[in-house]
Amino acid sequence: GNSVTQMEGPVTLSEEAFLTINCTYTATGYPSLFWYVQYPGEGLQLLLKATKADDKGSNKGFEATYRKETTSFHLEKGSVQVSDSAVYFCALRGNTPLVFGKGTRLSVIA
Amino acid sequence: EAGVAQSPRYKIIEKRQSVAFWCNPISGHATLYWYQQILGQGPKLLIQFQNNGVVDDSQLPKDRFSAERLKGVDSTLKIQPAKLEDSAVYLCASSLVAGTDNTGELFFGEGSRLTVL
Repeated sequence: GNSVTQMEGPVTLSEEAFLTINCTYTATGYPSLFWYVQYPGEGLQLLLKATKADDKGSNKGFEATYRKETTSFHLEKGSVQVSDSAVYFCALRGNTPLVFGKGTRLSVIA
Repeated sequence: EAGVAQSPRYKIIEKRQSVAFWCNPISGHATLYWYQQILGQGPKLLIQFQNNGVVDDSQLPKDRFSAERLKGVDSTLKIQPAKLEDSAVYLCASSLVAGTDNTGELFFGEGSRLTVL
């Protein structure tokens, strides 16, 4: 079945550091890929998405490229801020409803 | 635009008791989902509704969990009797597009945190 594997956390970075959170997936057909973010005390919200191979999703300085050849959708940001501290979930949606990874907790320190 | 509303935000019960959670999706959203998020894990789908019909309830523990969306708008998720392992955050989400469209965004409520003692 469809599944998502993302890197274990927690990840702790200094402000302005480069961020990568790895995500790989297993799916049949042509899924759409998503990154959701959960800030402390808030609900899950969509960060970015890509609906076909080679698409790049971007938002708030974050980017991820849908790589079909490596079945990956890694999340990157060039310079993180303290306000980016949150839990990040990679997810896919194919012929099934949204399937999530386990989440990666990011802490950014000033 | 109002978001997905859920209540209660927190609930503590003893095992074998019952509990109900309520969700009101974004106005006009035909598809409604209930997810269970256990601490340290990603959300897991329990049930998906399209209007007032069930599309997918394959991962719903039907011996103790039930859900309904009688008028195709708000929904209730019930657990009876609760077990210790049901301690989790129960997330409701809705989407505008039909469940068969895999490109659409899901909008999530803040969740209902259940603790079973």
